[in-house]
Amino acid sequence: GENVEQHPSTLSVQEGDSAVIKCTYSDSASNYFPWYKQELGKGPQLIIDIRSNVGEKKDQRIAVTLNKTAKHFSLHITETQPEDSAVYFCAASGAAGGSYIPTFGRGTSLIVHP
Amino acid sequence: EAGVVQSPRYKIIEKKQPVAFWCNPISGHNTLYWYRQNLGQGPELLIRYENEEAVDDSQLPKDRFSAERLKGVDSTLKIQPAELGDSAVYLCASSLDRYEQYFGPGTRLLVL
Repeated sequence: GENVEQHPSTLSVQEGDSAVIKCTYSDSASNYFPWYKQELGKGPQLIIDIRSNVGEKKDQRIAVTLNKTAKHFSLHITETQPEDSAVYFCAASGAAGGSYIPTFGRGTSLIVHP
Repeated sequence: EAGVVQSPRYKIIEKKQPVAFWCNPISGHNTLYWYRQNLGQGPELLIRYENEEAVDDSQLPKDRFSAERLKGVDSTLKIQPAELGDSAVYLCASSLDRYEQYFGPGTRLLVL
């Protein structure tokens, strides 16, 4: 099955700095890579996603890059703000066997200091 | 548009007691998922429904867990009897196209 590794587990930055979270996956059949933000006491919220036919996607201050050859993808947050503080999860899923079940990473706790 | 609704938000029970969680997905979303999230980890799938049919339940501990999605809308996940190791957050998610998933707030279960 799919295995997703996520690094770092904790990331501390100053407000205004950039933050980068990296994930690797094992199953070359995976073709959908979402990123979720989970605030304390809430469920994960989809913030951006990328499909395997695209190398990069950007939405305001967040961007995701995908390297299919190396099987890794990254989340980039620019001009971080205190409200960006949360746990971020990457995930990978594909249509192998008709299933689109995402495998999640273990999460990165992002702390943005004012 | 209302999001995924889950209840209860919190539940504390003693081991060996039964417990049930309820989920109402986003209107029109045919795919419904139940996940378990242990502390400090990502969600792990328990079961996936396409309409009222359970199509992925290989990770559901069937000796004590059961789920149903009558009429293909809301769903119930049950644990009977609960064990200490079942303490976790139980998340429900729904999807329109099997890609983008929208999660509810979760039910935090504590088994004493």
